[in-house]
Amino acid sequence: DSGVTQTPKHLITATGQRVTLRCSPRSGDLSVYWYQQSLDQGLQFLIQYYNGEERAKGNILERFSAQQFPDLHSELNLSSLELGDSALYFCASSVIGDSNQPQHFGDGTRLSIL
Amino acid sequence: GENVEQHPSTLSVQEGDSAVIKCTYSDSASNYFPWYKQELGKGPQLIIDIRSNVGEKKDQRIAVTLNKTAKHFSLHITETQPEDSAVYFCAAKMDSSYKLIFGSGTRLLVRP
Repeated sequence: DSGVTQTPKHLITATGQRVTLRCSPRSGDLSVYWYQQSLDQGLQFLIQYYNGEERAKGNILERFSAQQFPDLHSELNLSSLELGDSALYFCASSVIGDSNQPQHFGDGTRLSIL
Repeated sequence: GENVEQHPSTLSVQEGDSAVIKCTYSDSASNYFPWYKQELGKGPQLIIDIRSNVGEKKDQRIAVTLNKTAKHFSLHITETQPEDSAVYFCAAKMDSSYKLIFGSGTRLLVRP
């Protein structure tokens, strides 16, 4: 158990809808990262937050947004969903965000768009 | 930008044999190289990592080697066991960057 908690485990919805994925980092970790894993693109970095502030952006679509709350949990919001958004979404956390500290991953949320 | 290539994509070995997975990175500024194991239905689990000031690191049956000149690093698993069967990912990170760049993964099957 990595200590990173993601909910829900599975999410099934339709095109055009909006969903929110939730992540609680390991106790003591200040930084949260979101990754997307799909069969054709592998593991892709989306966005990072550190102590409530956005730190880095990767290949995140404008339809997607995220935030980190004062209690350090994070939410990833996906809107106007398309079939191609079906993927596994992982959250990872690390102690701090600007050094080579290990990132520990949760078990992900599997998003299926029908 | 940074790119990480991983080979092979699939690897089948007999229980007790060794397994080697190789990765090549493009950006010479990369200085942190973790390896993750992902089992079905689970998230990637960090199994070992190495920093650029070290050439080799070992943890029981798992070892990682780094060749900075050639810009490649490898995962070595000795005395493989069926429970080692999983998908393994290498990754690279530059000190100035906040994100991990992942390889495409290697599906390891250990035959009993």
